[in-house]
Amino acid sequence: QKEVEQNSGPLSVPEGAIASLNCTYSDRGSQSFFWYRQYSGKSPELIMFIYSNGDKEDGRFTAQLNKASQYVSLLIRDSQPSDSATYLCAVKVPPGSNYKLTFGKGTLLTVNP
Amino acid sequence: ETGVTQTPRHLVMGMTNKKSLKCEQHLGHNAMYWYKQSAKKPLELMFVYNFKEQTENNSVPSRFSPECPNSSHLFLHLHTLQPEDSALYLCASSRSSGGGNEQFFGPGTRLTVL
Repeated sequence: QKEVEQNSGPLSVPEGAIASLNCTYSDRGSQSFFWYRQYSGKSPELIMFIYSNGDKEDGRFTAQLNKASQYVSLLIRDSQPSDSATYLCAVKVPPGSNYKLTFGKGTLLTVNP
Repeated sequence: ETGVTQTPRHLVMGMTNKKSLKCEQHLGHNAMYWYKQSAKKPLELMFVYNFKEQTENNSVPSRFSPECPNSSHLFLHLHTLQPEDSALYLCASSRSSGGGNEQFFGPGTRLTVL
């Protein structure tokens, strides 16, 4: 069973703080990792993807991947109330699943003004 | 807007009705997907189409019938649904060859089965 695990939260941080969202996955062969943001009542929106070990930065967002530990995280610097949403971790697992992603249940983030 | 549109946005149907959901993508992608999102559950992949061919049916009940006439359009035909089928149905698309398989979602159809 290929699984993606996330803390459901809610994770509450004050405005301006760093929010840290974590995700673990069970399949060591997993190749690609994605973070989606989903506002209440809306569809998921892709915000970051990472393929290689290490960090990848995009504006206030940093994705971190550690394949040895089967761990991927998303850091949000200078958190804003508009960042309040559910963050979904998704993992692409090979082989024979070139077009499939496995999603976690998501972590609800609340940024307090 | 992600370039993926879905209609209708909301649908209420009885258990004996037949209805269809429509998805259209304007991204030039070749792979399209149907997902179901229920409260407190992960996104559940239902069907995958690549170049109009169905490549994945994730043990979906036959009361859900997909159709993909071309790479830009995807339908989900619904008949004799159950109340537990009430959920948000999301369509997504992606490039079909290599790459990271970044999927882009439509706004979804909120389905209520009475």
